[in-house]
Amino acid sequence: AQRVTQPEKLLSVFKGAPVELKCNYSYSGSPELFWYVQYSRQRLQLLLRHISRESIKGFTADLNKGETSFHLKKPFAQEEDSAMYYCALKGGSEKLVFGKGTKLTVNP
Amino acid sequence: NAGVTQTPKFRVLKTGQSMTLLCAQDMNHEYMYWYRQDPGMGLRLIHYSVGEGTTAKGEVPDGYNVSRLKKQNFLLGLESAAPSQTSVYFCASSKDGGGNTEAFFGQGTRLTVV
Repeated sequence: AQRVTQPEKLLSVFKGAPVELKCNYSYSGSPELFWYVQYSRQRLQLLLRHISRESIKGFTADLNKGETSFHLKKPFAQEEDSAMYYCALKGGSEKLVFGKGTKLTVNP
Repeated sequence: NAGVTQTPKFRVLKTGQSMTLLCAQDMNHEYMYWYRQDPGMGLRLIHYSVGEGTTAKGEVPDGYNVSRLKKQNFLLGLESAAPSQTSVYFCASSKDGGGNTEAFFGQGTRLTVV
């Protein structure tokens, strides 16, 4: 079974502080992992995918198969990063499964 | 380029009424999904489709039916609405099931069942 766990519902940091949004997954095979973001009054959109190993808007995420984690990190948070963040997993089947999401608030 | 469009954007139903939500995509995508978004529950997969004429159950399929008669459209039906189905519904589509494939989302439908 595919499962995605985001342990923090809410995360609040100050501008300029580092931020880490946690994501753990459960899947027996090789997972395909993503981070999606939903800004206020906007539709959900892709932020990162692990296969691309890219940095988007200063965010990075590394797949750690040993710890079954795919945490999202940014060294210096900006106010415009405030949004809802979802970790998602595609585990070889057709289903794209999401975690419960973490609401990030970056305070001035 | 419209992308993924959901109709309607808002709806209020009485308990027991039926309705159909329409999702349309103009990107020639094979895969389409219906999710519901509830506070504290994240996005939960209701049903999905891997191509025209196919449908499959997701995590929370009870009380919903779907159809994919045309590749560009994915319909979500509520036969007898219940207050527990009050939610925001999102449709998404993706080119295929590959690992590098991005899912594109609609703007959401806010449904209230009273």
